[in-house]
Amino acid sequence: GAVVSQHPSWVICKSGTSVKIECRSLDFQATTMFWYRQFPKQSLMLMATSNEGSKATYEQGVEKDKFLINHASLTLSTLTVTSAHPEDSSFYICSARRVKGWGTNEKLFFGSGTQLSVL
Amino acid sequence: GQNIDQPTEMTATEGAIVQINCTYQTSGFNGLFWYQQHAGEAPTFLSYNVLDGLEEKGRFSSFLSRSKGYSYLLLKELQMKDSASYLCAVWGYQKVTFGIGTKLQVIP
Repeated sequence: GAVVSQHPSWVICKSGTSVKIECRSLDFQATTMFWYRQFPKQSLMLMATSNEGSKATYEQGVEKDKFLINHASLTLSTLTVTSAHPEDSSFYICSARRVKGWGTNEKLFFGSGTQLSVL
Repeated sequence: GQNIDQPTEMTATEGAIVQINCTYQTSGFNGLFWYQQHAGEAPTFLSYNVLDGLEEKGRFSSFLSRSKGYSYLLLKELQMKDSASYLCAVWGYQKVTFGIGTKLQVIP
């Protein structure tokens, strides 16, 4: 089945540094990838929609200058948390949509997630 | 915008049947997903409904009524390992939005 690889799985960084998270679709092309954030005991909150070759669409309240998203190819999207602060500590998850479109056999494929801890 | 409602917590007994409801209001509708998520792990796919009706897949079934903006996930023959959060997600206009999730606790 389709696989989405997300790295790193966990990262600890100092406040003020930047962290890059990669999301790769390994056996299919993903024109659209989604980035979610999940705080403890809460559901996934959509941060942004990443489309290959164009600027990401951010949800209301998400700072585009702080959470930089790049989707340079059909198999790779990256999320960079710039100048991270302790309040950015969270579980970040990407998901990818297969390029063939939606049907009864289609679904979102999730990465394994990245636990970010900012000290 | 999109609004998705589901109960926050449920408790059921091992071997029993439990139904987790989800109601939604959305601008545009392309389908509804159910995911299972264990603590600290990424969500795993359970079902995807596009058309009205019931879809059965082993112990899990999912129902959709587009006219009512309603879906439910039915879990049969509950096992202890089914204790997890169950997320309802709606594919609306250009994005997928998740509900808050229902934390299911299965007790002996």
